Amino acid sequence: NAGVTQTPKFRILKIGQSMTLQCTQDMNHNYMYWYRQDPGMGLKLIYYSVGAGITDKGEVPNGYNVSRSTTEDFPLRLELAAPSQTSVYFCASSQSGQWGYTFGSGTRLTVV
Amino acid sequence: AQKVTQAQTEISVVEKEDVTLDCVYETRDTTYYLFWYKQPPSGELVFLIRRNSFDEQNEISGRYSWNFQKSTSSFNFTITASQVVDSAVYFCALSPRTNSGYALNFGKGTSLLVTP
Repeated sequence: NAGVTQTPKFRILKIGQSMTLQCTQDMNHNYMYWYRQDPGMGLKLIYYSVGAGITDKGEVPNGYNVSRSTTEDFPLRLELAAPSQTSVYFCASSQSGQWGYTFGSGTRLTVV
Repeated sequence: AQKVTQAQTEISVVEKEDVTLDCVYETRDTTYYLFWYKQPPSGELVFLIRRNSFDEQNEISGRYSWNFQKSTSSFNFTITASQVVDSAVYFCALSPRTNSGYALNFGKGTSLLVTP
């Protein structure tokens, strides 16, 4: 049982480049989330999804896009990367929130 | 609005000391869930505890204990006889029931350093 798998684990981007952070879960969870963690700032919600085909913005969505074509996958797209997007990104999933969350191991992204 | 405040940014203790990490939350919901996560230097998030708003019983798990008080909107975490392996960043988080998607709202975290 793999849980939540994020790829890649590390990435360096140049300003203006684009990339997709992949997130896959094998627990058939309805809810999925993307968070970013900046030093000393905790985790902030970027986007979330309550099921396939349904996504919504979180606290800090600017500069990002998501899609949820299947229950398993919830990719995060960065268009025109900026240094402000340098962060650690965590994907998470949950069956109903109240029963807890499973987090991926994170993607450390540096934009230079 | 939902908000979690962890006022202690950094705490340093000597091994075997007891330490309490404070968490104060704000929510207008009557049903909500509170969590504590540990983030060791390796970076992953480790689930420690979940508590729903209707259960104010304190909980103890080994050297860890949690004190939930709705009257003060606090959910404090105590480590008894701290060990070097407890060194990590600890996050308190709130999941209001009415929040779409049950998204977690995190505090900024408390960095705990336990020295030998």
